[in-house]
Amino acid sequence: DAGVTQSPTHLIKTRGQQVTLRCSPKSGHDTVSWYQQALGQGPQFIFQYYEEEERQRGNFPDRFSGHQFPNYSSELNVNALLLGDSALYLCASSQPTQPGLGNSYEQYFGPGTRLTVT
Amino acid sequence: RKEVEQDPGPFNVPEGATVAFNCTYSNSASQSFFWYRQDCRKEPKLLMSVYSSGNEDGSFTAQLNRASQYISLLIRDSKLSDSATYLCVVNNRGGLTFGSGTQLTVLP
Repeated sequence: DAGVTQSPTHLIKTRGQQVTLRCSPKSGHDTVSWYQQALGQGPQFIFQYYEEEERQRGNFPDRFSGHQFPNYSSELNVNALLLGDSALYLCASSQPTQPGLGNSYEQYFGPGTRLTVT
Repeated sequence: RKEVEQDPGPFNVPEGATVAFNCTYSNSASQSFFWYRQDCRKEPKLLMSVYSSGNEDGSFTAQLNRASQYISLLIRDSKLSDSATYLCVVNNRGGLTFGSGTQLTVLP
């Protein structure tokens, strides 16, 4: 049973460029969330996708956008890169909400993409 | 004030010691609570969910006090392999909110 996978593992970009990161959720999961983790900090929530729509968004500018595909995989796009965007970008997936049982909200993380902006 | 606050650490303890981590959260509407562990340059891994009734998993015991908005994690008989950063996490209907983490080093 494959866990959450992300690509690429590392990326180096220049200020002002655009980047696309990819994520495939754990088998059986339909919800994908993206996080940014700066060095020495806990992950910060960017947004969550469910049924191909953005369901919830954290405190990130519109330069950060995403997409979810019918197979539940997801992309994170960042435009006009800044030096401060250098971080580990983590994708997490979770199980479908169960009618009557709600959602445990347990999220399982992929290995991340380490983005360096120079 | 941060939404989730943890002991700053770091904690350096001898093998076999008992160590306790504390965490407070500010949003009283928070719905679910977790402890994750993160090894250096790796992704966070779910350690355990936290319930008001308290729950145990091996040498780990977690407790939630909703009235005080307080979460704890107790590690008994700590092992070298328990060395990691422990992250206190709350969920408000979607995205997870993480504390900054507490670094634990178990020494031989």
